Amino acid sequence: EVQLVQSGAEVKKPGESLKISCKGSGYSFTTYWIGWVRQMPGKGLEWMGIIYPGDSDTRYSPSFQGQVTISADKSISTAYLQWSSLKASDTAMYYCARGPRRAVWGSYRCDHMDVWGKGTTVTVSS
Amino acid sequence: DIQMTQSPSTLSASVGDRVTITCRASQSISSWLAWYQQKPGKAPKLLIYMASSLESGVPSRFSGSGSGTEFTLTISSLQPDDFATYYCQQYNSYTSTFGQGTKVEIK
Repeated sequence: EVQLVQSGAEVKKPGESLKISCKGSGYSFTTYWIGWVRQMPGKGLEWMGIIYPGDSDTRYSPSFQGQVTISADKSISTAYLQWSSLKASDTAMYYCARGPRRAVWGSYRCDHMDVWGKGTTVTVSS
Repeated sequence: DIQMTQSPSTLSASVGDRVTITCRASQSISSWLAWYQQKPGKAPKLLIYMASSLESGVPSRFSGSGSGTEFTLTISSLQPDDFATYYCQQYNSYTSTFGQGTKVEIK
């Protein structure tokens, strides 16, 4: 069974650092993108960025560039989303999801997200 | 960034109704569009990809159409399990964006 298993809920203080994880199983981890999606309380989905574990190609939404870091360790089939200094406004549910890779004119795109993790709740409060 | 605008934001309907949700892109995205269903407290679930391809296991009452800048998700006969929030997502560009969501409520 194809699965993405996310790390558990986190409660942090403003200014602290955090790294959450997403472990893939049941498929070839290096041949699909892993994307991260934010959902603030009561709000919609926001696409944050993606990483291709096969070659570590990483892309960010302009809204999240410089605010978070996406990484992956293909040896343990795990992707990460990290913050160096959390803010209260980072309080949200964070989902990871898998996306197929599509070749486009010598580059690559991430297609639809077909498998999702259950989400990691991050609460930032003093 | 390509902007995605869904309408309506909220839709009230009854079991058995035919329901249509629209998603408009700020520029052409060809057919690189997906639709997701999300229920409270749950992760989104892929329904439709490439504008009109039904994901495996998704009931055939769900269908998608459109290309370019205008797309629709149709539920042919609304079932109790379909009351949820629906999101479109474009994946034509280097980065991706979601629409703001359409909540389908019980009338």
